[in-house]
Amino acid sequence: EAQVTQNPRYLITVTGKKLTVTCSQNMNHEYMSWYRQDPGLGLRQIYYSMNVEVTDKGDVPEGYKVSRKEKRNFPLILESPSPNQTSLYFCASSTSPSHLSYEQYFGPGTRLTVT
Amino acid sequence: EDKVVQSPLSLVVHEGDTVTLNCSYEVTNFRSLLWYKQEKKAPTFLFMLTSSGIEKKSGRLSSILDKKELFSILNITATQTGDSAIYLCAVAYSGAGSYQLTFGKGTKLSVIP
Repeated sequence: EAQVTQNPRYLITVTGKKLTVTCSQNMNHEYMSWYRQDPGLGLRQIYYSMNVEVTDKGDVPEGYKVSRKEKRNFPLILESPSPNQTSLYFCASSTSPSHLSYEQYFGPGTRLTVT
Repeated sequence: EDKVVQSPLSLVVHEGDTVTLNCSYEVTNFRSLLWYKQEKKAPTFLFMLTSSGIEKKSGRLSSILDKKELFSILNITATQTGDSAIYLCAVAYSGAGSYQLTFGKGTKLSVIP
């Protein structure tokens, strides 16, 4: 089954404790991205990756890191989480955007709470 | 400054009504406009529009894009309670070898029996 998986689905952590949210897709998609969703602000892109070893900042990259060492995986790293990073996070993937196919397949979401 | 603006932000209608959701955008190097439906989980894809004036249709939902006036509408006819959701509009654009996707804040639709 074609899917995007994220782990963990729920996470409560404390300020400053490094964490990683994993994202994996099995569709051989080139393009992957991370979003955060906050009430009243909609979905905002954090980082995206056009392909292996190619990453770029989205609209709200501060406080986040990503890596793309393999095509299927795109982890999101919070080196020193703060309460303002409490949010619902989505990973998504799609075929190469240069093919004009931007239909993004979304993961189930990770609800992060930083206290 | 928001690149993608959706209106209204929320809407309450009765079952059977027809609704029109709006999405305007302002980006350079436009590639496509997408509509998603989000219930209590991840967004699910509805339509992708790249050409002006060509209506996309799926059941009671339809959408059209106007690239000259930079907007799109999503129509839902004969609404049902199952249409209650947040409808998201997103615009894909490119520049300097990069491709980004920016979402609007969404329209929350509530359909009451």
